[in-house]
Formats: sequence, C-alpha cells, structure tokens
Amino acid sequence: DSGVTQTPKHLITATGQRVTLRCSPRSGDLSVYWYQQSLDQGLQFLIQYYNGEERAKGNILERFSAQQFPDLHSELNLSSLELGDSALYFCASSVYPGGNTIYFGEGSWLTVV
Amino acid sequence: GNSVTQMEGPVTLSEEAFLTINCTYTATGYPSLFWYVQYPGEGLQLLLKATKADDKGSNKGFEATYRKETTSFHLEKGSVQVSDSAVYFCALSDQGDHSGTYKYIFGTGTRLKVLA
Repeated sequence: DSGVTQTPKHLITATGQRVTLRCSPRSGDLSVYWYQQSLDQGLQFLIQYYNGEERAKGNILERFSAQQFPDLHSELNLSSLELGDSALYFCASSVYPGGNTIYFGEGSWLTVV
Repeated sequence: GNSVTQMEGPVTLSEEAFLTINCTYTATGYPSLFWYVQYPGEGLQLLLKATKADDKGSNKGFEATYRKETTSFHLEKGSVQVSDSAVYFCALSDQGDHSGTYKYIFGTGTRLKVLA
C-alpha cells in the first residue's frame, strides 16, 4: 500500500459526459501528479500541483482540468468525454516536486462507451 | 525536451534466466533516474533509483547503474522468477527548464513474462 488513495477504482460513463477523479496523497506529501495510462500511448504526464498551486503541465487536454485543495487532496475533472479518453488514470504524490521518489495510487479505470 | 526510451516488449524468459531491459534518456540537466514496476492490477511501485552518475541502484536482486557517458540506466537481474512478471518503467526526474519545477518523464514500459 503506497498510501495514495484514488476513487473511484472503476467508472463507466457515456460519451459527452463529465467525471471527477479524486486523489488523496500520502500523509505529509505536498506534491500531486496526474498521469494517464493507455494501451497505445504508455504513461503520459498530465499535470502537477505543489501545495495547491499548479507547477507543471504535460499533455493535458483543454477538456480536462485539475486542482489541489487546501487539504492537499486533488481532483481531475474530465469533460465532454470521448471514447479515446478510456484509460487508467493514476495519481502520484511526493513530499516535494523534485528528485524524490513519487508514490502511485492504484489508479482509476475510466471506460467511455 | 527530456525523454526516456525503453526497449520494446514483451520480453519472455524462462525462470532463472538473465534479464536486461535497456533504457536510455535525454535530459538537459542532471536527472535522477528510476525504475518502477507495475504488477497486474496495481499501480506503479518504485523498484530502484540513482541520483547521480555512476550510482548503482539495487533492490530485490535488480540492479541498474547510472551511466552519464552513454545516457543509459539499463535494468538487470541475474536470475528471474515467475513472480517478476510485470511491466517495468524507466523514468527520469529533471529540472529541465530551470524553473524550479521538476518533471517526471516515464518510458513506455516493457512487459516481462517469466515462464516456469
């Protein structure tokens, strides 16, 4: 158990809908990362937060947004969903945003039908 | 930009065989390098890491040496077991744009299957 908690574990939704994925980082970790894992594109970095502020952006679509709240949990919002958004979404956390080991949650499986 | 390139899988080996999974990287700074492992149905777990040139990371019989001259961080194990079957990801953490923000970049992963 990495200490990173993600909910929901599985989610099935229709195209055009909006979903929210939730992540609670390890106790004491200030930095949160979101990744998308799909079969054809491997592990893609989406976005990183540190202590409530956005620190880095990767290949995140405009239909997706995220935030980190004062209690340090984070949410990833996916809207106007398309079939191609079906993937495993991982949250990870670390104490600080640099050079340290990052710890992954078990992921949220999103299926868009 | 920064990138990580891993050998394509799947890699299929017999139990007790020697394992090498190649990883090379491109980075503008002085990255830390990592190997993560993903077992079926689970998230990624840190396997080992190295933070500077010539460092050797090791864990559970796996080893990797940070080679700056060849920009490589190949994963090796002398004798694999069926329980090592998983997907292995090479990754780097680098302050590429000197903004104070580090990015973790992962390779595409290499699936290892070990047969009894």
